[in-house]
Amino acid sequence: DAMVIQNPRYQVTQFGKPVTLSCSQTLNHNVMYWYQQKSSQAPKLLFHYYDKDFNNEADTPDNFQSRRPNTSFCFLDIRSPGLGDAAMYLCATSRDLAGVEGGYTFGSGTRLTVV
Amino acid sequence: KNEVEQSPQNLTAQEGEFITINCSYSVGISALHWLQQHPGGGIVSLFMLSSGKKKHGRLIATINIQEKHSSLHITASHPRDSAVYICAVYSGGGADGLTFGKGTHLIIQP
Repeated sequence: DAMVIQNPRYQVTQFGKPVTLSCSQTLNHNVMYWYQQKSSQAPKLLFHYYDKDFNNEADTPDNFQSRRPNTSFCFLDIRSPGLGDAAMYLCATSRDLAGVEGGYTFGSGTRLTVV
Repeated sequence: KNEVEQSPQNLTAQEGEFITINCSYSVGISALHWLQQHPGGGIVSLFMLSSGKKKHGRLIATINIQEKHSSLHITASHPRDSAVYICAVYSGGGADGLTFGKGTHLIIQP
């Protein structure tokens, strides 16, 4: 089945130690997104790629970076995780930005714990 | 920036009841999405609406563009419908991501 896969499902990292989360898709969607969701809050968009074009949300901390080496893969790098970065990180894809063509497909998320 | 409000925030109902979740937004949109999030995090896209009404199984979603309002209905609710239901809108015009409501936590009791 075509899908969005996030690895790992759970990630524990040390305070200040760089960590990378990965997302892959078999849908051949143009757009890939990274969202941060903290407990009992709505997901917050960190950034997205439309093909190779990177778009950073204005309030995304510099500590967060992203890479999309090809259509299928997108990575979230947290350079120096702080305790406040503990959250669920959701990857999503869509054909178009509005999600009109087939909606959005979300991965199962990576729950990041910072110790 | 679009403000998305959902009501109710929490809803507990008995199996078989008809469920309605409401969503209102402040600025005109290109598309509105209803999403379902189960405990553990995974989000499933239920509907995309730009006008009118859509139905899938026991789920019905409607939107009134003039009133900036959408509703999600669940007929013959079942415990497996228990989840958080999230309304999210795409406004375009430089805001490239979805703006999410805070979600409605639905519990269906047997």
